[in-house]
Amino acid sequence: DGGITQSPKYLFRKEGQNVTLSCEQNLNHDAMYWYRQDPGQGLRLIYYSQIVNDFQKGDIAEGYSVSREKKESFPLTVTSAQKNPTAFYLCASRIQGEAPYEQYFGPGTRLTVT
Amino acid sequence: GNSVTQMEGPVTLSEEAFLTINCTYTATGYPSLFWYVQYPGEGLQLLLKATKADDKGSNKGFEATYRKETTSFHLEKGSVQVSDSAVYFCALGRQETSGSRLTFGEGTQLTVNP
Repeated sequence: DGGITQSPKYLFRKEGQNVTLSCEQNLNHDAMYWYRQDPGQGLRLIYYSQIVNDFQKGDIAEGYSVSREKKESFPLTVTSAQKNPTAFYLCASRIQGEAPYEQYFGPGTRLTVT
Repeated sequence: GNSVTQMEGPVTLSEEAFLTINCTYTATGYPSLFWYVQYPGEGLQLLLKATKADDKGSNKGFEATYRKETTSFHLEKGSVQVSDSAVYFCALGRQETSGSRLTFGEGTQLTVNP
């Protein structure tokens, strides 16, 4: 089955530690995205990548970093500089091309930093 | 810039009631419009989409019509079920210089009681 895998589902870290969230897709999609979701709020875009070895900052990139070394993988690192890292993180992907631009989402990783 | 405004929740209905969740948008040109659904602890699933004025997206009994004159994309269902309880997100998609992006509303929590 094609899809997007995010692991782990739950992640716990101590304050001051960097942590990397995994996102893998076997849909052969070109573009990949990372979002953050806080309780009762919509999704905010952290980073996105249209092609391998290239990525752009989204609306809330501070305190996060990404890499895109392979088409199928787009890991997100939450650094110690992120002031409020506890949140639900969602990865998405889409095939490049014309509208309608829909994205397909993974199951998410819930990160708790104490 | 682009923005999406959704009807505030939470919305509580009895089974078989009629559902409307309002969504209006601000964008230049002709964005694509989407409704996504999120069940507790999961990622987002694409529910329906529309790419041009007067298009009607439909899926699983849900419908929404792209109204350019009122910049709206309201979600409707004639008879809700308990299993429809979830958070619903309206989103618009546009192609930008750095790639395509989605802009989300804040989500509307729907609870359907038996």
